[in-house]
Amino acid sequence: QKEVEQDPGPLSVPEGAIVSLNCTYSNSAFQYFMWYRQYSRKGPELLMYTYSSGNKEDGRFTAQVDKSSKYISLFIRDSQPSDSATYLCAMRVNFGNEKLTFGTGTRLTIIP
Amino acid sequence: DAGVTQSPTHLIKTRGQQVTLRCSPKSGHDTVSWYQQALGQGPQFIFQYYEEEERQRGNFPDRFSGHQFPNYSSELNVNALLLGDSALYLCASSTGDGFNSPLHFGNGTRLTVT
Repeated sequence: QKEVEQDPGPLSVPEGAIVSLNCTYSNSAFQYFMWYRQYSRKGPELLMYTYSSGNKEDGRFTAQVDKSSKYISLFIRDSQPSDSATYLCAMRVNFGNEKLTFGTGTRLTIIP
Repeated sequence: DAGVTQSPTHLIKTRGQQVTLRCSPKSGHDTVSWYQQALGQGPQFIFQYYEEEERQRGNFPDRFSGHQFPNYSSELNVNALLLGDSALYLCASSTGDGFNSPLHFGNGTRLTVT
């Protein structure tokens, strides 16, 4: 069993829809959670960075962490065609342990 | 302000050969990490360099080695290439304190082994 599970998709939604992306994890030592966006032929770009359970909002993006369920989510409101990309969840144990463990990524397409 | 730069962008090698990939970290960053991303997969941690020393290593064989130079740039070397080494190799930089400095990734080097 992988430490981090993520549905690879692909996921296609119409422009303007709310997108929900999710990851589950098995290692309860993970404390820091990130979402990266990766466009084709590019490196991952950090979108959200959270610590502990709860919600964090940044513009159209909301990251949610539920440590009791070992479940994290990324919500995208008012989705745009420019949001079409692969979304990777990533997590690590603590700031002194910088190794990131990634999910497989979910490929998202926003249809105009 | 230049971000993380990697060279070359693409590389084709034959099984058994050796390859060297290069990375210059983002300005102000002193820590370099290398990741391997196979097609359709998330990045897998190879190793991390800080103060010219390997600080942490993932589950990769000794064929994978690295180096960090005094100017913080880094090289990844892979010996005795296998077909399974074909992947996108990503370099990421950060500052040594970790928490307040999330990883910044370059656009990677795509290695094809034939």
